[in-house]
Amino acid sequence: GQQVMQIPQYQHVQEGEDFTTYCNSSTTLSNIQWYKQRPGGHPVFLIQLVKSGEVKKQKRLTFQFGEAKKNSSLHITATQTTDVGTYFCAEHTNAGKSTFGDGTTLTVKP
Amino acid sequence: DGGITQSPKYLFRKEGQNVTLSCEQNLNHDAMYWYRQDPGQGLRLIYYSQIVNDFQKGDIAEGYSVSREKKESFPLTVTSAQKNPTAFYLCASSQALRVSQYFGPGTRLTVL
Repeated sequence: GQQVMQIPQYQHVQEGEDFTTYCNSSTTLSNIQWYKQRPGGHPVFLIQLVKSGEVKKQKRLTFQFGEAKKNSSLHITATQTTDVGTYFCAEHTNAGKSTFGDGTTLTVKP
Repeated sequence: DGGITQSPKYLFRKEGQNVTLSCEQNLNHDAMYWYRQDPGQGLRLIYYSQIVNDFQKGDIAEGYSVSREKKESFPLTVTSAQKNPTAFYLCASSQALRVSQYFGPGTRLTVL
């Protein structure tokens, strides 16, 4: 079935450094959603991308959807300790199937 | 205050027993979902429901059952047929399929 691969699995950064996580699929994605899960918490929706080449920004977070709609990225500029958590990409289809990547766990050293 | 509630937060059961996890939402969402999350892994879809009295199997439905008798409620039963039931179970809802999902706080099930 559809698989969404996410890299890296873990990323350790110094506070103030940038961070990027990538999401890749072998098939065209109908959309891509990004979620953040704090340690011990539940996933919280961040953003949805639908259009080819779409770029959206939320303060220090920049989300991109590839031209071929097979990949996506989340970039955080100047990380802060509040950015700690696991970031997941996911596809939700009209048929009801939801496929999540395995996530990238970000730790930030003050 | 709208949201999704799951109870209990922690649940312990003996092997061989069925257990039902509750999920209630007051967001007036049509679609509801159940996921399983194992340590260090992503979420895997167990069941989903688009409307009342209708539900579909996800990727790992074996050993689980659900019902959707009311729009607000989507309980999940973990049966004794589930080989490795110990996990973090997350319920979610959305206005429709293909859009963002809102998650409950989850239930951590431990089978002893």
